[in-house]
Order: sequence, then structure tokens, then C-alpha cells
Amino acid sequence: EAGVAQSPRYKIIEKRQSVAFWCNPISGHATLYWYQQILGQGPKLLIQFQNNGVVDDSQLPKDRFSAERLKGVDSTLKIQPAKLEDSAVYLCASSQIQQGRLNEQFFGPGTRLTVL
Amino acid sequence: AQRVTQPEKLLSVFKGAPVELKCNYSYSGSPELFWYVQYSRQRLQLLLRHISRESIKGFTADLNKGETSFHLKKPFAQEEDSAMYYCALKTGANNLFFGTGTRLTVIP
Repeated sequence: EAGVAQSPRYKIIEKRQSVAFWCNPISGHATLYWYQQILGQGPKLLIQFQNNGVVDDSQLPKDRFSAERLKGVDSTLKIQPAKLEDSAVYLCASSQIQQGRLNEQFFGPGTRLTVL
Repeated sequence: AQRVTQPEKLLSVFKGAPVELKCNYSYSGSPELFWYVQYSRQRLQLLLRHISRESIKGFTADLNKGETSFHLKKPFAQEEDSAMYYCALKTGANNLFFGTGTRLTVIP
């Protein structure tokens, strides 16, 4: 079974530029998550999708971050414009559909973003 | 609001020694706790969850509601246990809230 795929693996941009990250979850996984992991911290949830609907985006800085999962499969996370404090690893995870019990989340390799 | 505290950023033990990674939580609802692990150059993955009450790779963790703790324990550490360990709490929104992690190094 193929795991969660993410691209690119690394990205370096200057502040005020835009950047986009892509995630392809495990086939059949209805729930998709984007996390931000700043160096020295644990992953912090940015947004959770169930199929193509947003379940939780309370921690997403909506003035600059956006995410979509139009067909309920792969997803894109965008930052526009980027700030220095956005430097982090962006992790995508997927799981089977959540119905009460929290199913195991399978993580991708992450995208390491450096904002200069 | 929820909180997950892992007081040790770094922990070193000798091979064969017991290891305990501490995790304390604060949560107003009924807690459901997890341990996730990230080995060098690998992805973050689930190690164990308290409701399963099972031992994975020799590790166990018991939820202590009185002390609001979910410490991860192994009686005899192995070199392959060296990794980053994260304690996580299921939130009311049915997702995970992670602690800051503990890097375990097992010294040969």
C-alpha cells in the first residue's frame, strides 16, 4: 500500500512570496489533515478535511493560509504571502473516515519550508 | 482548552536500562491519549493508543486519570528505540493535539 505522498520535499522562498504544497493521501482515506511543525515543537493541526468538506480549520491563519480538497482526494495548502515565522515542516496525514473513534493517522514525509 | 506536557526535551539511557518518557495532559473531557514516534529519516507513526491497552515493541503506557498522566515505559531499552516520541491527545473536534516531544537516545 502506497503511503501519503507530499511534494515538494523542500522549498526555499523569500518573505512575501507565495508557496503551495501538495498532498495525496492513502487511497480510500476520507480524512485528510495538514499540520505545521515548527522546529522544536510538536505538530500543530492547521486544517482537517472529511472528503471535500472542512471539519476543523480553527488554527488556520486564514489571512494568509488557504487549503482545498476539491475532489475529496488530493489537497493543496497555500501560503500567500509568506512570513519568516512560517518556516516549518508542513505535514500531511490521512486516515479512514472518523466516526466517533479517532482512527490512526498516517503521515507523509513532510515539506520543509524555509522563508528568508 | 487542552494541554499536553512532555517535560523532557532530551532523554538518554543506556542499552538495557529501563526508560520512561513522561506525558501529562490537561483536558476537560474524557481523555484519549496516543504515543507517536519518529525514527531517524522516517515518517511520524503511531506507536500505541491507551484504549488498545497493548504492548508495542515492548512499550506500554497506562492512562492515569488521577495524575493526568500517560507515561511511556519500556523495561529494557534497545538501540533501535532511539527516536523522537510525541504524546498526543484526542480533542473534542476529533483530531490530535501534540506535545512538544522527547528525543530518546539509547547509548550502546
